[in-house]
Amino acid sequence: IAGITQAPTSQILAAGRRMTLRCTQDMRHNAMYWYRQDLGLGLRLIHYSNTAGTTGKGEVPDGYSVSRANTDDFPLTLASAVPSQTSVYFCASSEGWNSYNEQFFGPGTRLTVL
Amino acid sequence: TQLLEQSPQFLSIQEGENLTVYCNSSSVFSSLQWYRQEPGEGPVLLVTVVTGGEVKKLKRLTFQFGDARKDSSLHITAAQPGDTGLYLCAGVYAGNMLTFGGGTRLMVKP
Repeated sequence: IAGITQAPTSQILAAGRRMTLRCTQDMRHNAMYWYRQDLGLGLRLIHYSNTAGTTGKGEVPDGYSVSRANTDDFPLTLASAVPSQTSVYFCASSEGWNSYNEQFFGPGTRLTVL
Repeated sequence: TQLLEQSPQFLSIQEGENLTVYCNSSSVFSSLQWYRQEPGEGPVLLVTVVTGGEVKKLKRLTFQFGDARKDSSLHITAAQPGDTGLYLCAGVYAGNMLTFGGGTRLMVKP
């Protein structure tokens, strides 16, 4: 059982380039999330999807877009990367959208924007 | 934005010592979660506390939710080197959205 997979594991990107971080889960979870983790700031929610076909903005959505065409995949796109988007990005999923649904996290993608 | 402040940010102790990590906010949360994160991995849920004043125990870890559901604490008794890691608290609001504290990096020396 893979759980949540993220790709790539790490990436160095030139500023201004477009980048898509991939996230796939095999648990048939309805809800999925993208977070970024910066030193001393914990994790901050970028975007979420409470079910396939719908998405919503989190705490820090600017400069990022997401889509949820099916249950399993939730890609995060940086249209034009900037150095402040250097971070570790985590994808997560939960069975449902209720507060008692545990979120399971992927292993993360370390992104450096130069 | 609902803010959660964790303290201390860093903690280095000897094996066998006790410690407490605090998580404070001015906001009320429907529930509060504690996670542990190892280097190179995503956070893993340890516990969820829901009711004001609730206390939960997980072996040597004791979690408490404040009466007003704005703060929480994590107490570790007789810490072991295997407890080393990053501990994160997270408040749950608006469905299943999480707001995280800044984390406490714990090192337990043998």
